[in-house]
Parts: sequence; structure tokens; C-alpha cells
Amino acid sequence: QKEVEQDPGPLSVPEGAIVSLNCTYSNSAFQYFMWYRQYSRKGPELLMYTYSSGNKEDGRFTAQVDKSSKYISLFIRDSQPSDSATYLCAMSPNTGNQFYFGTGTSLTVIP
Amino acid sequence: GAGVSQSPRYKVTKRGQDVALRCDPISGHVSLYWYRQALGQGPEFLTYFNYEAQQDKSGLPNDRFSAERPEGSISTLTIQRTEQRDSAMYRCASSPRRGGTVNEKLFFGSGTQLSVL
Repeated sequence: QKEVEQDPGPLSVPEGAIVSLNCTYSNSAFQYFMWYRQYSRKGPELLMYTYSSGNKEDGRFTAQVDKSSKYISLFIRDSQPSDSATYLCAMSPNTGNQFYFGTGTSLTVIP
Repeated sequence: GAGVSQSPRYKVTKRGQDVALRCDPISGHVSLYWYRQALGQGPEFLTYFNYEAQQDKSGLPNDRFSAERPEGSISTLTIQRTEQRDSAMYRCASSPRRGGTVNEKLFFGSGTQLSVL
């Protein structure tokens, strides 16, 4: 079993839709959770990070962590064509130095 | 430069040859990571440095892989006697914090696409 599971998609939504991206994990030691966005032929770019459980909002993006279910989510409101990319979740233990990535979900927002 | 710079952008080599991949992190960044990303997969940890010290190399697949960061800035990932299974995108990332620090943020380079024929 992989440390981090993420549905690769692809996911296609109309412009303006709410997008929900999710990851599950198996290691209860994970404390630090991140979402990266990766455009084609580019390196991953950090979007959001959260520490431990709870919600964090940044503009159109909301990250949620449910440690009891070992489940994290990224919500994108009012999705735009420029949001079309691959979204990777990543996580690490509190004092860890290894970041464990999901496989990424490919998102296309159709104008 | 403003971001993490990697060179070469593409590297094609024959099986059995050695290759050296270079990473120039963001100026002043303390930690430097090497990841490998296969097509359609997330990045897979290889090794990381705090300053010039290699802190963790548990992700290196075998002893053909090595990395160094002698002056705590530029790093080189070397693969000896390359094999076809080594073909992948190799990504470098740097962070302003020491590795293992809470709230660490990784800044990734565009990667080196290695193809072993």
C-alpha cells in the first residue's frame, strides 16, 4: 500500500464549478499537509499547507485535513481555465524530512 | 536567479554511461532536495542536504546514485553506469529552512529529463 493515495483523474469541469480534490494516507504520523500545483512541463508549485487538522482558506482555495479519517481535501471555488493543471498532495511527519507525494490529479477547467 | 535552476534541461545518454545533473538552488536557501518523478506519478524522495551536509540518502535507489553539495549551494546528482530504468524526470527543490522543520516549504526547479537508451 502506498503511503499516499490520490485519484489521478482526469477531472474535467466547466468554468465556475467547485472542484474537490482528495487524498488519503495510511501513516498516522503525518502532521504537515501540502497541496502543490504543477503545470505541464513545470516543477510543482506550493499552493497551500496546513499543520495538523482543520481548515485553511486562501482566496478561492480551501484546504481541509481530517486526521481521524486520514483524509485531506482541496476545494477550488469559481474554477478558472487557468486552474487547469495537475494537483499533487504531499505530507510529512512533524519532524520528518521526507515529503510523501500523491500521484497527482489532472484537472481541466473548460471555458 | 529568482528560482531553482537545473541543468541540463534534457539529457539523453547511452546505457552504461555516467551522468551528472546540476541544481542551483534559490540563493540563501538552506536545504536542498533531490526527487525523481516518473510520468504520471508524484515526486519520489531521493536525498536531501542541510547546507553541505547530506542528511538523508535513504531514497537513493542503489549505490550507482550519489549526490554532493560541497559548498552548501550548488548540488550535483550523479548516476553511474546508467540503466534504462533510470529514465525519469529528476527534480531539485530548495527550502529556506533546515530540513525537517515544521512549515518547511519546498520550491521546485523545472527538472532534468533523463533518457537512457
